Amino acid sequence: NAGVTQTPKFQVLKTGQSMTLQCAQDMNHNSMYWYRQDPGMGLRLIYYSASEGTTDKGEVPNGYNVSRLNKREFSLRLESAAPSQTSVYFCASRRQEHTGELFFGEGSRLTVL
Amino acid sequence: QKEVEQNSGPLSVPEGAIASLNCTYSDRGSQSFFWYRQYSGKSPELIMSIYSNGDKEDGRFTAQLNKASQYVSLLIRDSQPSDSATYLCAVVGNSGNTPLVFGKGTRLSVIA
Repeated sequence: NAGVTQTPKFQVLKTGQSMTLQCAQDMNHNSMYWYRQDPGMGLRLIYYSASEGTTDKGEVPNGYNVSRLNKREFSLRLESAAPSQTSVYFCASRRQEHTGELFFGEGSRLTVL
Repeated sequence: QKEVEQNSGPLSVPEGAIASLNCTYSDRGSQSFFWYRQYSGKSPELIMSIYSNGDKEDGRFTAQLNKASQYVSLLIRDSQPSDSATYLCAVVGNSGNTPLVFGKGTRLSVIA
């Protein structure tokens, strides 16, 4: 059982370049999330999708866009990367709304030069 | 802004001792509480969830919740070097499909 799969695991970009982080889950979860993690800052929510066809902003959405392609897939796009977006990005899905735990992907380490 | 506060540590305890990790939250209506463990370079993994006041035990781990004080804690008994990690407290509000809000984490170091 793969769980939550993120690609790529590592990426180096130049300022101004664009890229998309892909995420897919095979657990039939309704909710999916994108977090970023920076040293000393914990996990901060970028965007989430409570169900297929819906997306909502989290705590730090500026500079990002998302697409919930179907129930399995939730992608995060950086249209014009900035050095401040250097971070580790985690995709997660949720077993049950409101009370359910999050299942995380392995993370994507992004460096913007 | 809903907040979850944790002492960043590092918290150092000798092997075999009890490690006590604490977390406070600002949203009085919060209903669900989670403790995640994160090893360096890895993704967070759930170790405990708690939904009602009191204690919940699972092996060497005990989660404690006091909603009146807006306080949740994690006790790790007989701490092992393999418990050395960052522990993240996460809280869910009471309105619909509210995302988890995470604290910044407490780094635990168990000294052999």
